[in-house]
Amino acid sequence: DARVTQTPRHKVTEMGQEVTMRCQPILGHNTVFWYRQTMMQGLELLAYFRNRAPLDDSGMPKDRFSAEMPDATLATLKIQPSEPRDSAVYFCASASETGKGEQFFGPGTRLTVL
Amino acid sequence: DAKTTQPPSMDCAEGRAANLPCNHSTISGNEYVYWYRQIHSQGPQYIIHGLKNNETNEMASLIITEDRKSSTLILPHATLRDTAVYYCIVRVASVDSNYQLIWGAGTKLIIKP
Repeated sequence: DARVTQTPRHKVTEMGQEVTMRCQPILGHNTVFWYRQTMMQGLELLAYFRNRAPLDDSGMPKDRFSAEMPDATLATLKIQPSEPRDSAVYFCASASETGKGEQFFGPGTRLTVL
Repeated sequence: DAKTTQPPSMDCAEGRAANLPCNHSTISGNEYVYWYRQIHSQGPQYIIHGLKNNETNEMASLIITEDRKSSTLILPHATLRDTAVYYCIVRVASVDSNYQLIWGAGTKLIIKP
């Protein structure tokens, strides 16, 4: 049963701390997306990668957010330093280049910054 | 990308068909209609997509009007587990478009016993 996995599922931290979220895309999927969801803004695209290369990170606050794919099985989203306004659910999704645009989402990381 | 319009909420009785409408009057010829849903506290889940023909899978049916300006997602026998927010999205499905999806507010579907 191929699924996108994300860790941690929940994270509570204090303002100013570094937060790292991890995502394992479905094996064979070469496109990875990071989204953020809040009640106010809904689902927003932060960044996405194809074949491990970042293609667009315009949705991400550059001064504190960074996204990487160290290898094809791992994507990371890092916030340093974290702020209370970063509190949200962060989703990772993956897609196959041979598919027809459907994205497969992970369960999300619920981040609370105090 | 074409903009979509969906009702903010709908109710449906358990066991009945749930019909969720979506307007996309500015859709282009090469844009697909995608439907996703998000059950509370879970990640969005792909349901179905189509270009111009009606589509059916194990989850739902998608009916697209001949002029492609609107579509309807049909859940044939709704269950309580179908309570979720349903998103209608139109997007060019190509490698060049990088599969970016623009998410609106969706329709909150409540299935009632």
